[in-house]
Order: sequence, then C-alpha cells, then structure tokens
Amino acid sequence: DSGVTQTPKHLITATGQRVTLRCSPRSGDLSVYWYQQSLDQGLQFLIQYYNGEERAKGNILERFSAQQFPDLHSELNLSSLELGDSALYFCASSANLLSGELFFGEGSRLTVL
Amino acid sequence: QQQVKQSPQSLIVQKGGISIINCAYENTAFDYFPWYQQFPGKGPALLIAIRPDVSEKKEGRFTISFNKSAKQFSLHIMDSQPGDSATYFCAASISGNTPLVFGKGTRLSVIA
Repeated sequence: DSGVTQTPKHLITATGQRVTLRCSPRSGDLSVYWYQQSLDQGLQFLIQYYNGEERAKGNILERFSAQQFPDLHSELNLSSLELGDSALYFCASSANLLSGELFFGEGSRLTVL
Repeated sequence: QQQVKQSPQSLIVQKGGISIINCAYENTAFDYFPWYQQFPGKGPALLIAIRPDVSEKKEGRFTISFNKSAKQFSLHIMDSQPGDSATYFCAASISGNTPLVFGKGTRLSVIA
C-alpha cells in the first residue's frame, strides 16, 4: 500500500460528459502528480501541483483541469469526454520537490462509451 | 516527442534466466534514472534508481547499468522468477526536481 488513495476505481460514462477524479496523497506529501496510462502511450505526465500551486504542466488537454486543495488532496476534472479519453488515470505524490521517488495510487479506470 | 525510448515492448524469459530491458534518453540534462515495476491492477512502484555519477547500481537481483556517453541505461534482472512478471517502466528527470518522463513500458513474463 503506497498510502495514496484514488477514487473512484472505475468509472463508466458517455461521450460529452464530465467527471471528477479524486486523489489523497500520502500523509505529509506536498507534491501531487497526475499521469494518464494508455496501452499505446504508456505513462503520460499531465500536471503537477505543489502545496496548492500548479508546478508543471505536461500533455494535458484544455478540456482537462486540476487543482490541489488546502488539505493537499487533488482533483482532476475531465470534461467534454471523448472515446479516446478512456484510460487509467494515476495520481502520485512525493514528499517535496527534490524527492525523486513517486508513490502511485492504484488508479482510476475511465471508460467513455 | 518521446524523450525516453524503451525496448523491448514485451519479453518472455525462462525461470532462472536474465531479463534485460533497455532505455535511451535524449535530454542530457536528465540526471535521475529510476525503474518502476507495475503489477496488474496496481500503480507503478519504485524498484531501483541511479544517478549518473556511477555506472552501475545493484540491489539484490536487480541491477541498473548506466552509459552516460551513449545516453542509455538498462535494467538487468538476474535469476528471474515468475513473481517478477510485471510491466517495467524506465524514467528520467532532472535532479528529481522535474516530473518523471516515462518510457512506454516492457511487459515481462517469466515462465517456469
């Protein structure tokens, strides 16, 4: 158990809809990362937050947004969903900006029909 | 643009054999190179990591070999066991201070 909690574990929705994925980092970890995992693209970095502030942005679509709250949990919002958004979405946390090790949750599997 | 290229995509190894997975990177600023192991239904977990001040790091049956001039690093699993069957990802970052860039993964199957 990594200590990172993600909900929901599975989500099935229709095209055009909006969903929110939630992540609780390990206790005390200030940095939260979101990654998208698909069969052909591997693990793609989406966005990073550190202590409530956006720190780095990767291949995140404009239809997607995220935030980190004062209690350090984070949410990833996916809107106007398309079939191609179906993937595993992982949240990871690390203690601080210089800690190379990421602790991953078990992921949220999104299926868009 | 894929910054870390990983091969092979899949690998089948006999129990007791050596599993070798290779990665190549482009950004010479990368100086932290971890390997993550992922079992089905789980998130990736750090297996072993290396920084470029050493050419090799060994932890139990797992060894990272690093070639800075070739911009390549590899994972060797000695005496591979069925329990090692998982997907392995190489990754890279700058001083652990930038988000990890992952390779596309290698699915390893160790058969008895």
